[in-house]
Amino acid sequence: DADVTQTPRNRITKTGKRIMLECSQTKGHDRMYWYRQDPGLGLRLIYYSFDVKDINKGEISDGYSVSRQAQAKFSLSLESAIPNQTALYFCATSDLGNQPQHFGDGTRLSIL
Amino acid sequence: GQNIDQPTEMTATEGAIVQINCTYQTSGFNGLFWYQQHAGEAPTFLSYNVLDGLEEKGRFSSFLSRSKGYSYLLLKELQMKDSASYLCAVRGYMGRRALTFGSGTRLQVQP
Repeated sequence: DADVTQTPRNRITKTGKRIMLECSQTKGHDRMYWYRQDPGLGLRLIYYSFDVKDINKGEISDGYSVSRQAQAKFSLSLESAIPNQTALYFCATSDLGNQPQHFGDGTRLSIL
Repeated sequence: GQNIDQPTEMTATEGAIVQINCTYQTSGFNGLFWYQQHAGEAPTFLSYNVLDGLEEKGRFSSFLSRSKGYSYLLLKELQMKDSASYLCAVRGYMGRRALTFGSGTRLQVQP
């Protein structure tokens, strides 16, 4: 079983719809992150959380919101999806200190 | 802010050695990571440098010079499966030490 699980793996939806992407982890890590990846732009940080009561905006948080429901769960919402939010979305977790981040398999989101 | 530069694409031959460079400008520095990402898959951790010098892990090595804002990833004895994107990521002191990723270098290994 994957340590960092993202659902759904693929989603096609229409402009204006509300979308929720979910991430759960069994690694016991306190820190969780949401990134989007676009061709040629690398990974860009949307939001991150260092514990259940901590939520921080990343580089490109506009149009997104998050919820840290428990240590193991971190969900990303698009309140009203728009086509330029079409991208590959990754959730990641890490332990304290300078430990590396571990990524889920990604959610490919297409907004028509 | 932070700025990270890597070459967009590189091509190398199976069995050869390739060096992928990364230069960065950052507000504070608290470590540099290299990740490998095959097309359509999740990035996977390769190496971490926080002090100057070379870190070796089997066929992969990573070097850091903090004074020059420079790192490289060295891949030896290239294999076809090494064809992937290689992402350089820097952890600074801003944003409570979240990572900033470069755009990645797409490496194609040819027979």
